[in-house]
Amino acid sequence: QQQVKQSPQSLIVQKGGISIINCAYENTAFDYFPWYQQFPGKGPALLIAIRPDVSEKKEGRFTISFNKSAKQFSLHIMDSQPGDSATYFCAASTGRRALTFGSGTRLQVQP
Amino acid sequence: GAVVSQHPSRVICKSGTSVKIECRSLDFQATTMFWYRQFPKKSLMLMATSNEGSKATYEQGVEKDKFLINHASLTLSTLTVTSAHPEDSSFYICSAREGGSWGYTFGSGTRLTVV
Repeated sequence: QQQVKQSPQSLIVQKGGISIINCAYENTAFDYFPWYQQFPGKGPALLIAIRPDVSEKKEGRFTISFNKSAKQFSLHIMDSQPGDSATYFCAASTGRRALTFGSGTRLQVQP
Repeated sequence: GAVVSQHPSRVICKSGTSVKIECRSLDFQATTMFWYRQFPKKSLMLMATSNEGSKATYEQGVEKDKFLINHASLTLSTLTVTSAHPEDSSFYICSAREGGSWGYTFGSGTRLTVV
């Protein structure tokens, strides 16, 4: 699988702050970029996704920023809440093939 | 929205026995299903891709004789871990994709412990 690099590995944010997680990819054939949230012992749940023809997508407190030329995309969580504390994975796929996941970011939002 | 049901959520088995994990798409037809394995505090690693009615495609390094995948219908895929050993203990997660959709829906995962 082509690699997707994710940073940071862990992140601590104060309640109400902005959480930012970054991903970079190599395969220019990727055409779908989702972000997933995973709680311990559960499967990943889709947060938000973007296609490469759009530079930004916002859904509630979650925003994806996409930079095609830099081959980077990021997740911004506005007004972070303790309930947002989880592991976040970026991913990418080509066509209908399987997702390639980043290494994950453990987010802790302190009250 | 699309729902994928995965069972069992937890299973403990003895070394040498086989365990079957089921993955069902409840409200859509899943032409393609994917099986992942996840170790503690690690990312999801693709094990295999299965298309309804055809043989699964396994990722490099995944033993196809140990991890048997069947996708006999558009709503059901199964993963059977044969002759399980303690090193097979892991969190297994399935994912399904509806034919005309961009989204991937994940099951809730199965925690397998081999003793």
